[in-house]
Amino acid sequence: AQKVTQAQTEISVVEKEDVTLDCVYETRDTTYYLFWYKQPPSGELVFLIRRNSFDEQNEISGRYSWNFQKSTSSFNFTITASQVVDSAVYFCALIGGSQGNLIFGKGTKLSVKP
Amino acid sequence: DAGVIQSPRHEVTEMGQEVTLRCKPISGHDYLFWYRQTMMRGLELLIYFNNNVPIDDSGMPEDRFSAKMPNASFSTLKIQPSEPRDSAVYFCASSFGPTGPGELFFGEGSRLTVL
Repeated sequence: AQKVTQAQTEISVVEKEDVTLDCVYETRDTTYYLFWYKQPPSGELVFLIRRNSFDEQNEISGRYSWNFQKSTSSFNFTITASQVVDSAVYFCALIGGSQGNLIFGKGTKLSVKP
Repeated sequence: DAGVIQSPRHEVTEMGQEVTLRCKPISGHDYLFWYRQTMMRGLELLIYFNNNVPIDDSGMPEDRFSAKMPNASFSTLKIQPSEPRDSAVYFCASSFGPTGPGELFFGEGSRLTVL
């Protein structure tokens, strides 16, 4: 069975604070793909990143960074110097092996206050 | 380039009526997905197609739900008869994955309210 757990339901920070969103996954596949999506208040789902199970290098994109650790089955997402525009629900998701379907976590609602 | 296009964006209907949601995937994509989002259950996969063929429909709630993909550029999700508990946002997504799952591109969603 495949599963994605985002234990943090809601997080509230003040602008310019750093914030980390946790994601823990379960899969029996040796090949799998992990994703993060952002859903702003307007409702659309915006792709942020895709990583495959063979690439554990951390990735940085501007204020965003991702820490992938297979040893702990985690794929955490950090926003540095958060801004009000970062307020959204963030989803971690998983595709395992030869499957095509994306399994989502429940999401973490991030509120960044000025 | 056009993204995934869904229609209608909003639908309000009465219990018992038939509802049809439509999706046009991104040209060239070979996977198409239908998801449903509710506060209680989050994002749930209903069904997905690969090259117009349904691969996994285990997420379809019951026989009232049906989905078709008659060609590579069009898919429908039908609910007949609709019930208030079907109220949700329905997302269509497509991806291109000949060598493995690619990024899913989502439409803007169809918000369904069943009274």
